[in-house]
Amino acid sequence: DGGITQSPKYLFRKEGQNVTLSCEQNLNHDAMYWYRQDPGQGLRLIYYSQIVNDFQKGDIAEGYSVSREKKESFPLTVTSAQKNPTAFYLCASKTDRATGELFFGEGSRLTVL
Amino acid sequence: QQPVQSPQAVILREGEDAVINCSSSKALYSVHWYRQKHGEAPVFLMILLKGGEQKGHEKISASFNEKKQQSSLYLTASQLSYSGTYFCGIPERNDKIIFGKGTRLHILP
Repeated sequence: DGGITQSPKYLFRKEGQNVTLSCEQNLNHDAMYWYRQDPGQGLRLIYYSQIVNDFQKGDIAEGYSVSREKKESFPLTVTSAQKNPTAFYLCASKTDRATGELFFGEGSRLTVL
Repeated sequence: QQPVQSPQAVILREGEDAVINCSSSKALYSVHWYRQKHGEAPVFLMILLKGGEQKGHEKISASFNEKKQQSSLYLTASQLSYSGTYFCGIPERNDKIIFGKGTRLHILP
């Protein structure tokens, strides 16, 4: 079945450690996204990528980094520079059509102790 | 800038109707609507396009007013399964999609 796989589902880390969240899709979608979800804040865009080897900052990119070396993969690194990293992280992808909808992964919940 | 959704939360009894609004400070060319159940990923409901075209998968209707820069989602004869948080998403340039803070909908039996 086609879809988006995020891992790990739950992650605990100590303050000051970098963490990488995985996102893989087999939908052959060009565009991929990372959103952060906090209670009452909705979905806030961290980074997005329209094509391999290219990505753009979203509204809350500080303290995060991404790479897009393969079409199917878009990992997110939460660095020690992110002041409040505890959150629910959602990865999504869509076709390059202007009317394409987003397909979301199941999310990764990161807790920094 | 995030689109503004209203109301923030709604409690209904099964069979009642609900309207969820989404307003943008920027010109709208299309609007996405998604529903998220607690602990799950958001699921696509509908895309509204400039010119009135509608693309969706469920029996939920919506309107798109380009001049007022807003969209409304209409849930009629609500069912228990409609409970969840509804998000509108506004595509900006270059595939950038910005979401509102969500509207929590709770349906009582």
